[in-house]
Amino acid sequence: GESVGLHLPTLSVQEGDNSIINCAYSNSASDYFIWYKQESGKGPQFIIDIRSNMDKRQGQRVTVLLNKTVKHLSLQIAATQPGDSAVYFCAENSVKLTFGTGTRLTIIP
Amino acid sequence: GAGVSQSPRYKVAKRGQDVALRCDPISGHVSLFWYQQALGQGPEFLTYFQNEAQLDKSGLPSDRFFAERPEGSVSTLKIQRTQQEDSAVYLCASSPHGGQANTGELFFGEGSRLTVL
Repeated sequence: GESVGLHLPTLSVQEGDNSIINCAYSNSASDYFIWYKQESGKGPQFIIDIRSNMDKRQGQRVTVLLNKTVKHLSLQIAATQPGDSAVYFCAENSVKLTFGTGTRLTIIP
Repeated sequence: GAGVSQSPRYKVAKRGQDVALRCDPISGHVSLFWYQQALGQGPEFLTYFQNEAQLDKSGLPSDRFFAERPEGSVSTLKIQRTQQEDSAVYLCASSPHGGQANTGELFFGEGSRLTVL
């Protein structure tokens, strides 16, 4: 079946370094993708989105890259801070929003 | 507050009990979604409302699950005869946009954590 998944379940990054979180999707009809951040005990919080007619979109300290050829997207966080510690989900929205399992980002001080 | 509000935040139920979880979406938001999030997993879609109309309930796991939004604002998710496998965080989200596809940003509440003993 169609799925949205992540390559790695956990990622540890030194404070100040850049973080890259990857996500693979299998539905070639997907045309809209969103990254969410979920801190412990809270609901998911929107970070950034990208439509399939784009291959890159930048926000504040975050960049999302979309490679439709290999059905892969990534979230890059620049100068990672302790407050970036959370679980990050990619979600695909063609008919309804479908979340992947998530990657836990841990910041090493 | 201005965000999505859910209550109760925590609910412990004995197996077989009925529970009701409430969601107050952001005022004026047309769309409302319920998701179920098991421990260590991503949120799984349960159901979607556009105003008072329940347009998609394909994610409800059984007929023990029922959701309503009678006046197009507050929504209630009801689970009858709870089972241990119903233990999860139930997330509510709202959006100012109509339609599920390409809804843009969903605004999530903090969730209701249900534990069934």
